[in-house]
Order: sequence, then C-alpha cells, then structure tokens
Amino acid sequence: AQSVSQHNHHVILSEAASLELGCNYSYGGTVNLFWYVQYPGQHLQLLLKYFSGDPLVKGIKGFEAEFIKSKFSFNLRKPSVQWSDTAEYFCAVNALSGANNLFFGTGTRLTVIP
Amino acid sequence: DSGVTQTPKHLITATGQRVTLRCSPRSGDLSVYWYQQSLDQGLQFLIQYYNGEERAKGNILERFSAQQFPDLHSELNLSSLELGDSALYFCASSDGTGSNSPLHFGNGTRLTVT
Repeated sequence: AQSVSQHNHHVILSEAASLELGCNYSYGGTVNLFWYVQYPGQHLQLLLKYFSGDPLVKGIKGFEAEFIKSKFSFNLRKPSVQWSDTAEYFCAVNALSGANNLFFGTGTRLTVIP
Repeated sequence: DSGVTQTPKHLITATGQRVTLRCSPRSGDLSVYWYQQSLDQGLQFLIQYYNGEERAKGNILERFSAQQFPDLHSELNLSSLELGDSALYFCASSDGTGSNSPLHFGNGTRLTVT
C-alpha cells in the first residue's frame, strides 16, 4: 500500500525567505504525485502535479516541486514566500495502476510572518 | 470555487446518532470521493464512486456507508456515531477514474459528536 510522509509539521518563515517542504512516499510501482494547499477555511486546491517527463514541475503561485525517483521524494519549493502563502500543504500520491484515490501525507502547516 | 458543493457546513450531534452528509460534484464529473480529515489520522480516503457504482474502498468503517445517485450527487451516511468520528469530511470529484484525473475538493462538512 502507498504511504506518504511529510516530516515538517509546522514551518515558520519570514516573508521573502525560501521554502522547501519535504515529502517522501512509499510504493513499489509507478505513481503520480501531487501537492495540494488548504488556505484557512477553504477547500483543498491543487498546487501542482507530476505524472511523467521533466521531474521538475512548476505549479501555481510560483511553487515548484522536484521528483527524485531514487529518493522517493517530491519536495515542494518556493524561492520567496509571501504572507498569503500561510496555509497547510499536503503531499499526495496515487498509483498509476490503481483507482484514482489519493493517499495524503499528514500535512505541513506553513506560517509566514510579515 | 471548486464547483463541488457540500452540505451542511457544520453538524453537531450526539453519540449514537446517525447523520447524512451530501455532496454535489462539479458539473460533468462522474467520480465522487469521500475523505475524512482528523487531527490524529490526517486525510484518510474513505470511498469512491463512479457513475453510481462503488469503485474503490479505503479506511471506511462498517458504521459508515455511501451511495451515488443517478443525478451523480453522493451521500455519506454515518451511524452509531462515536466521539472519535468528529472530523472534517471532504468530498471530491473528478471527470474520470484514471489516475491522471485531478481531484477537485469541496469545502467540507465539519462534524462534531458530543
């Protein structure tokens, strides 16, 4: 079965600082990888996704993530965070061969201080 | 706005009771997914329906059941409620069942069991 680990539970940064959130997954087969964001009081929104091809994927709002197959990792990055990036970030995976149900990590809460 | 509508937004009920959560998917989406988000378990996949048929099952308790109706809306029924069932319940929809179909999430129903 798939599992997803997000090791950072709460990250606090000042505006303009660089961000990297870790995500590792466990699955023996081919997977699709996702990052979702949940702003306070809102629904989960897709930030970016990786299906195949270039392992560096760019998403909305200046976020990007790099898939490193050998490390089973899909870390999220942003060069310069803004106060409006304060949210909870979830890494998720689904198996290429399975049903389209996502397995989520436990989430990382990001607080950006103005 | 994701286009996925969940009602009610909040629900407070007592242990032993039964509740029904409702989800209307995005227009044109045939798949509906239910997730439970709790503090200790994170986001857990419960069940998926596609065009009225159950497609995949996750960590759904026997006290919980779901269905998808001909008009594609879905209901999640929770019975014999326990304190531990207090959580945020999300519905998501996608246009297909393939692993490349992104999920679009509703705003969730917050269930409090007292």
